[in-house]
Amino acid sequence: GAVVSQHPSRVICKSGTSVKIECRSLDFQATTMFWYRQFPKKSLMLMATSNEGSKATYEQGVEKDKFLINHASLTLSTLTVTSAHPEDSSFYICSAREAGTSGRTNEQFFGPGTRLTVL
Amino acid sequence: AQSVTQLDSQVPVFEEAPVELRCNYSSSVSVYLFWYVQYPNQGLQLLLKYLSGSTLVKGINGFEAEFNKSQTSFHLRKPSVHISDTAEYFCAVSDRNNFNKFYFGSGTKLNVKP
Repeated sequence: GAVVSQHPSRVICKSGTSVKIECRSLDFQATTMFWYRQFPKKSLMLMATSNEGSKATYEQGVEKDKFLINHASLTLSTLTVTSAHPEDSSFYICSAREAGTSGRTNEQFFGPGTRLTVL
Repeated sequence: AQSVTQLDSQVPVFEEAPVELRCNYSSSVSVYLFWYVQYPNQGLQLLLKYLSGSTLVKGINGFEAEFNKSQTSFHLRKPSVHISDTAEYFCAVSDRNNFNKFYFGSGTKLNVKP
C-alpha cells in the first residue's frame, strides 16, 4: 500500500514552454502533498506544501507564479513549471501524507520523481 | 527549524562488511526520524522510521537504526552489506508538532565494492 505515482517520469521541453507534472496517490487519500526539487548530488529541497482544495504554501525563495501547484482532489496534485528555462532543469519529487487517523499519517510517501530537462 | 547533518558524503565499503551511516539533528524538541534510500533516477523509499517506543528500530533489507536522544543522533547500520545496497541514503527529521515539514540531510552515497 501507500503508492505514489508521478507522470511523466521524464520530460524534455524547449525554453519558454510550460510543463505539467502530475502526482497521484494510488491507494490512499492524501490530505497533504509536497513538492521537492533535487539538484544533482544534493538533498531534497521542499518547494511547497499543498492541501486539497486550498492554496499551496510555498517555501521562501520559491516563485509561486513560476511553479503553479494545484491540489484538486485527495489523490491528485499537479506542478506546472511555467515559462521554463534551462535553470529549471532538475529532478522533481512529490510526496503525499495520508488523510485520516491511520498510523501512517505521520509519514510521507514519495513518488518516483520526474526528470525535467529544459533546452 | 531543524538541521540534519549526515557527516559522510560518501562511504565506500566492501561487500559483506558492516556499515554505519551517521545522522545527527539539531533540535531537542520531540521528533520523528526516518531513513530513506534512493536508487539512481528514482524516488525515495522508506527504510525505517522512529516514532516512539524502542530506540532500536529495524527496517527493510536488514537495516536498523538507533535513536539516541542525548546525542541527537539516528545512525543507520547494517551488519553485512550487499552490492545491491549501493545507493544514496537520506536521513530525515520532522517535528512531532508539525510533521508536514520534513528536514533532509545532504545524503550519504554508499558504495559497496565486490
